[in-house]
Amino acid sequence: DVKVTQSSRYLVKRTGEKVFLECVQDMDHENMFWYRQDPGLGLRLIYFSYDVKMKEKGDIPEGYSVSREKKERFSLILESASTNQTSMYLCASSPLRGGLGEQYFGPGTRLTVT
Amino acid sequence: AQSVAQPEDQVNVAEGNPLTVKCTYSVSGNPYLFWYVQYPNRGLQFLLKYITGDNLVKGSYGFEAEFNKSQTSFHLKKPSALVSDSALYFCAVSPPMDSSYKLIFGSGTRLLVRP
Repeated sequence: DVKVTQSSRYLVKRTGEKVFLECVQDMDHENMFWYRQDPGLGLRLIYFSYDVKMKEKGDIPEGYSVSREKKERFSLILESASTNQTSMYLCASSPLRGGLGEQYFGPGTRLTVT
Repeated sequence: AQSVAQPEDQVNVAEGNPLTVKCTYSVSGNPYLFWYVQYPNRGLQFLLKYITGDNLVKGSYGFEAEFNKSQTSFHLKKPSALVSDSALYFCAVSPPMDSSYKLIFGSGTRLLVRP
């Protein structure tokens, strides 16, 4: 079974802190994605990566950056956390060719910024 | 702009009755279509997908979805609902010719199955 793990289920940070969210997948997938999920808005893509050290902006990249130094790990960074970044963050991975778009999701990190 | 619409925030159905969760999309060409389910405090789980071929697609947990190209819809269905089907359901599309296989998600529909 594909397994996508995220470093924390719940996280509470203060405004202005630098926040790191880690995601690891064990299926040698090329593609990795970071989404945020908010009620009534569904999932919105923040960033994605299709290879090590490669990244592309999604629909809402402002206030975020990412790092992919190893194929299995994709990190989301909030440079200076703000209250409007309180949300559920979901990481996903997919193979580059196989699966035709099916993504495998981690359990999510619920981040609260106070 | 490419988009996915789930017109119902919540669907209520009695256990044993059929259920439908609606999804329409606005994407040019022939997109790949997906349904995911999210149980409380869990990540999203893949239910089913349509790539090509038969318009009726069968997936996990007895769910199926019907692709209708003329109506650009991909409604999720189940003949007999269970209380355990209560969850948040997301429709998603992957635009054609997008080699990164990004997904565009709808806003989600909460399904509540009452005993």
